[in-house]
Amino acid sequence: QVQLQESGPGLMKPSETLSLTCTVSGGSVSRYYWSWIRQPPGKGLEWIGYIYYSGATNYSPSLKSRITISVDTSNNQLSLRLSSVTAADTAVYYCAKNQYGGGRNDAFDIWGQGTVVTVSS
Amino acid sequence: SYELTQPPSMSVSPGQTASITCSGDTLGDKYASWYQQKPGQSPMLVIYQNTKRPSGIPERISGSNSGNTATLTISGTQAMDEADYYCQAWDSTFVVFGGGTKLTVL
Repeated sequence: QVQLQESGPGLMKPSETLSLTCTVSGGSVSRYYWSWIRQPPGKGLEWIGYIYYSGATNYSPSLKSRITISVDTSNNQLSLRLSSVTAADTAVYYCAKNQYGGGRNDAFDIWGQGTVVTVSS
Repeated sequence: SYELTQPPSMSVSPGQTASITCSGDTLGDKYASWYQQKPGQSPMLVIYQNTKRPSGIPERISGSNSGNTATLTISGTQAMDEADYYCQAWDSTFVVFGGGTKLTVL
């Protein structure tokens, strides 16, 4: 059974670049599509983007200019970089496994426990 | 941009049926998925492709999708069903989530 574990800095200052890692266990990062999803405190879910191990990506239009998602097959990890963070980027960040291949019938069938990121001066 | 609308909250008595709606333009032409999130936990997929249940999800949880509305139905609601529920669909190549519905069992 695939399991996901996110890790990150916890606390950041405005204008810094956020870097998060999601470690995949129980399966290969090369087999599936993977997504990042975030949830601001007390609010709903927001999709950030997805990646396939080949490097193919698809990003949310609202975040596209600031995000980079990558895969490290040697360490079985995926990563998220979000530049120029502000308080509005404060959220729990989840990595999730896409059930299928990012198509219109796709869903997110496995989620990590999430990592809290707080942006504050 | 495409939007999915859910009622912010609803309540149901134990043993009764809860129907949570998710509305969007021609949503019936898309696939809807549903996630359950309990306090302090990660979301969990409970319905995908409108009507399908992942392994381990009880049969009393079901889904439908037609016209502009997808519906998550929980029959014989139990205290353990108290949670936030989110619908999700794809608009072209992008993922959209509904705002979530807080279901209270009382």
